[in-house]
Amino acid sequence: AQKITQTQPGMFVQEKEAVTLDCTYDTSDQSYGLFWYKQPSSGEMIFLIYQGSYDEQNATEGRYSLNFQKARKSANLVISASQLGDSAMYFCAMRGLNAGKSTFGDGTTLTVKP
Amino acid sequence: NAGVTQTPKFRILKIGQSMTLQCAQDMNHNYMYWYRQDPGMGLKLIYYSVGAGITDKGEVPNGYNVSRSTTEDFPLRLELAAPSQTSVYFCASSQKTGGTSNQPQHFGDGTRLSIL
Repeated sequence: AQKITQTQPGMFVQEKEAVTLDCTYDTSDQSYGLFWYKQPSSGEMIFLIYQGSYDEQNATEGRYSLNFQKARKSANLVISASQLGDSAMYFCAMRGLNAGKSTFGDGTTLTVKP
Repeated sequence: NAGVTQTPKFRILKIGQSMTLQCAQDMNHNYMYWYRQDPGMGLKLIYYSVGAGITDKGEVPNGYNVSRSTTEDFPLRLELAAPSQTSVYFCASSQKTGGTSNQPQHFGDGTRLSIL
């Protein structure tokens, strides 16, 4: 079975500092994709960044980067220069070979302090 | 672009009633999904579809039914509503994908459903 684990229910970070949100995964598929989504208090789901299982380089999108360690089955999200607007819940997700293998973690609530 | 549109945004049902949550996408995506999100939790996959006429169960399908007669629409039906189905429901779509495709899921704004 496919599983995503986010071990940090809540995190705090000072404005302008960097923060790492942890994500570990388990799958029997050799080919899979890892995604991070942001969910603000307004409730919508916003796609942030993607990493493929065969990608050799870590993904980056602006202030977001993904620290992908395949052997350890981890895909941590790094947010640099945190902003107040980054306060939200963040979900790690995985999609396997089968479209039905779409799994989300329970999320991490990030609070950015001024 | 509208993207993924869900209706209604809010609904209160009585135990035993039934209803249909509507979902429509205008991006010509093959894949569509229904999730539920309980308070403080992640999303659980209810049903998904890889194209018109093809649907399959996800992780938590009991108490729900779906149909996919067109590429655009993917309604979710609740029969005999129960308090355990109180949740926020999200519909999503993505381009035909699998494995390492980098196509993310596009989400609707959600339907907040309460069963009393």
